[in-house]
Amino acid sequence: QSVLTQPSSVSAAPGQKVTISCSGSNSNIGNNDVSWYQQLPGTAPKLLIYENNKRPSGIPDRFSGSKSGTSGTLGITGLQTGDEADYYCGTWDNSLSGGVFGGGTKLTVL
Amino acid sequence: QVQLVESGGGLVKPGGSLRLSCAASGFIFSDYYMRWIRQAPGKGLEWVSYISSSGNTIYYANSVKGRFTVSRDNAKNLLYLQMNTLRAEDTAVYYCAREYSGSSLDHWGQGTLVTVSS
Repeated sequence: QSVLTQPSSVSAAPGQKVTISCSGSNSNIGNNDVSWYQQLPGTAPKLLIYENNKRPSGIPDRFSGSKSGTSGTLGITGLQTGDEADYYCGTWDNSLSGGVFGGGTKLTVL
Repeated sequence: QVQLVESGGGLVKPGGSLRLSCAASGFIFSDYYMRWIRQAPGKGLEWVSYISSSGNTIYYANSVKGRFTVSRDNAKNLLYLQMNTLRAEDTAVYYCAREYSGSSLDHWGQGTLVTVSS
């Protein structure tokens, strides 16, 4: 059971938009920044979003992030088959004094 | 370019020990906090440990506390994870990662597989 809650799977057609939610609590998302990671099959995770809504250099603006209260959201527009991957949210938990991740969301581009 | 390369994984019996290493290059290693994260086969990411840039501040996940020890050698640009009293549930790919802004992790190694089995 992960500290952060994500849907196990989402799907959409190529070219469409999808959002992935990440729900936490005041001890984690409520008082810390959210980051998002993409993990393609057989590879290490890759940072997509940091500080809730910022993109590292090289990440296309099709990827966006937001945070409200104790929840974060990842948005992906203009879906491509290459976006099929597992997506994880992460943050720090002040009560646990440790990092926490969501359980991951598998994105299928139909 | 930033590079993190883990090594030291392998097959070990329950109760055994392993030491993982993470060789860092392409950045000033001593300026960055570092973390270990693991991923059991077919499962999600699990944070394991955190170490500050100087090594003075360390945190562990409850699942490994008292069994794992993280350390770093800033002169050699190396991060370590000493794993003792290993259990079957420690079987996972272990990644080292560099902490960036807002506790995000902007660079990850390729991972090293640890298998605990008799």
